[in-house]
Amino acid sequence: AQRVTQPEKLLSVFKGAPVELKCNYSYSGSPELFWYVQYSRQRLQLLLRHISRESIKGFTADLNKGETSFHLKKPFAQEEDSAMYYCALGPSSGSARQLTFGSGTQLTVLP
Amino acid sequence: KAGVTQTPRYLIKTRGQQVTLSCSPISGHRSVSWYQQTPGQGLQFLFEYFSETQRNKGNFPGRFSGRQFSNSRSEMNVSTLELGDSALYLCASHRGQRGGSPDTQYFGPGTRLTVL
Repeated sequence: AQRVTQPEKLLSVFKGAPVELKCNYSYSGSPELFWYVQYSRQRLQLLLRHISRESIKGFTADLNKGETSFHLKKPFAQEEDSAMYYCALGPSSGSARQLTFGSGTQLTVLP
Repeated sequence: KAGVTQTPRYLIKTRGQQVTLSCSPISGHRSVSWYQQTPGQGLQFLFEYFSETQRNKGNFPGRFSGRQFSNSRSEMNVSTLELGDSALYLCASHRGQRGGSPDTQYFGPGTRLTVL
């Protein structure tokens, strides 16, 4: 069974501090990992996906297959980063397209 | 181009009733997925439609059903509503390409269903 675990429901950091949101997964196969973000009163939107290896809004995430992790990192947090972050997993191939989401981490960046 | 739209945005029903929610995907997208979001269970996959056919289904009872029309618009229906069906129902639109890496899913604003 596939599963995504985000151990922190709430995370607070000060502006300018580094931030790391943890995500661990279990999946029998080769997964595709995503980070979605939901800002206040906005819809869920893709932040980044591991296959594209992009840095979006200063965020990066590295897929560690040995530790089955896909932690989201940013070296210097900004107040506008305050949002709900969801880690999600999907199959890397085939016709199945459903995403399995973690429970989310509410990030608050304090001034 | 216009994003994913969902109607209605809010809905209040009573136990035992049925409800139909609608989702209009991004133009050109052929696949629509539905998710249920609750504080207790988080985001859970309901089903996916592609070219008017259900392609995948999550672990939900048969009271939850859906369909997709030839213009890719999708509806989901919940019959015999229960209090536990109160949730935010999200639909996500994607191109629906077969094979290869999953394409990006674009989410709608959701329909907030309250069952009294």
